[in-house]
Amino acid sequence: QQQVKQSPQSLIVQKGGISIINCAYENTAFDYFPWYQQFPGKGPALLIAIRPDVSEKKEGRFTISFNKSAKQFSLHIMDSQPGDSATYFCAASGSGANNLFFGTGTRLTVIP
Amino acid sequence: NAGVTQTPKFRVLKTGQSMTLLCAQDMNHEYMYWYRQDPGMGLRLIHYSVGEGTTAKGEVPDGYNVSRLKKQNFLLGLESAAPSQTSVYFCASRLLGLAGELFFGEGSRLTVL
Repeated sequence: QQQVKQSPQSLIVQKGGISIINCAYENTAFDYFPWYQQFPGKGPALLIAIRPDVSEKKEGRFTISFNKSAKQFSLHIMDSQPGDSATYFCAASGSGANNLFFGTGTRLTVIP
Repeated sequence: NAGVTQTPKFRVLKTGQSMTLLCAQDMNHEYMYWYRQDPGMGLRLIHYSVGEGTTAKGEVPDGYNVSRLKKQNFLLGLESAAPSQTSVYFCASRLLGLAGELFFGEGSRLTVL
């Protein structure tokens, strides 16, 4: 059973456009929602994260929107650039050593 | 500061051969993890460790063994490699209490023929 569902699987956006990736979860015990960015040939790296007590977090061109009642969260990349082309993973975690669950990933391609 | 280092980066095996992937972290992290990444399936947890001398199974442990004899090292072993184990393997580590903040290595690409 997939704990975190992510869509779309792939996304193509024009340079300067907005990229939006959506995730949904079921377990209301999750209390931390990170996004990871992975460039080809590299490991994932933490990009931005949010806790459920806030509805939005912004860091530069990257924004997480969080809807606790709908159990959904999304990543928005404003003014998308070719250098943003990567695979993005959403995740959800709770307490404990083995309580981090990843979505299946979205491959973003930003075309010039 | 190297972070998380994985060796080797690439390996080709024949079915039935054995091998060990090494992960080393220099951040004094308590927790360490091994994931495999396959197209369309995201990151799946193989085994993890909460401290020196302790290991536990993750989501897809079959066919793999692990050991953590030293806090900074986490080894992943394949005793008898199968083509289904062709994948990219990632090691990750984190501090106690920061469940969602993993530091990943650059990966080890394994092909089993």
